[in-house]
Amino acid sequence: KQEVTQIPAALSVPEGENLVLNCSFTDSAIYNLQWFRQDPGKGLTSLLLIQSSQREQTSGRLNASLDKSSGRSTLYIAASQPGDSATYLCAAMNRDDKIIFGKGTRLHILP
Amino acid sequence: NAGVTQTPKFQVLKTGQSMTLQCAQDMNHNSMYWYRQDPGMGLRLIYYSASEGTTDKGEVPNGYNVSRLNKREFSLRLESAAPSQTSVYFCASSRKPTGNSGNTIYFGEGSWLTVV
Repeated sequence: KQEVTQIPAALSVPEGENLVLNCSFTDSAIYNLQWFRQDPGKGLTSLLLIQSSQREQTSGRLNASLDKSSGRSTLYIAASQPGDSATYLCAAMNRDDKIIFGKGTRLHILP
Repeated sequence: NAGVTQTPKFQVLKTGQSMTLQCAQDMNHNSMYWYRQDPGMGLRLIYYSASEGTTDKGEVPNGYNVSRLNKREFSLRLESAAPSQTSVYFCASSRKPTGNSGNTIYFGEGSWLTVV
């Protein structure tokens, strides 16, 4: 049974700092792992997708890594900005197409 | 291209009433999902369907039933609504990207359900 855990549950950092969000999963036989952003009262926006054969993906100030053997993924945000404030969710897609989400990390960037 | 469409967007039910949430996708995806989102709980999988004609339980299936009517449509039914089912419900469909980028899962806009 796949379980996805995100640590920390909430994080506040001053603007300009680099930060790391963590995601762990119990079943390493995943097809891919995806990071999303959700603003209050809104739907989910896809940020980065990492295939099981890959180790990292980058998009602008975002970098996501994947270590299947340890069941971990990290989302690195460089030079954080107030507009980055949101909830960040990771989701693991298993080979049977089941997609399980973590509970998310609520990020607050202090101006 | 509408993507994933779910209805209704808002609904208030009395305890014990039944209702069906409808979902349709026009992207020819094989897999479809129903999630619920509660404060601080992320998205929890209720049921999913990996292909037309199949459905499987997710993390929180109790109190719900689903129907994969055809490849496009996947409905979620509450037979006897309870206050604990007050939540935001998201329908989604997915594909397995073959390249190094792209999205896996596409969401509807959500249905806000209140059971009183």
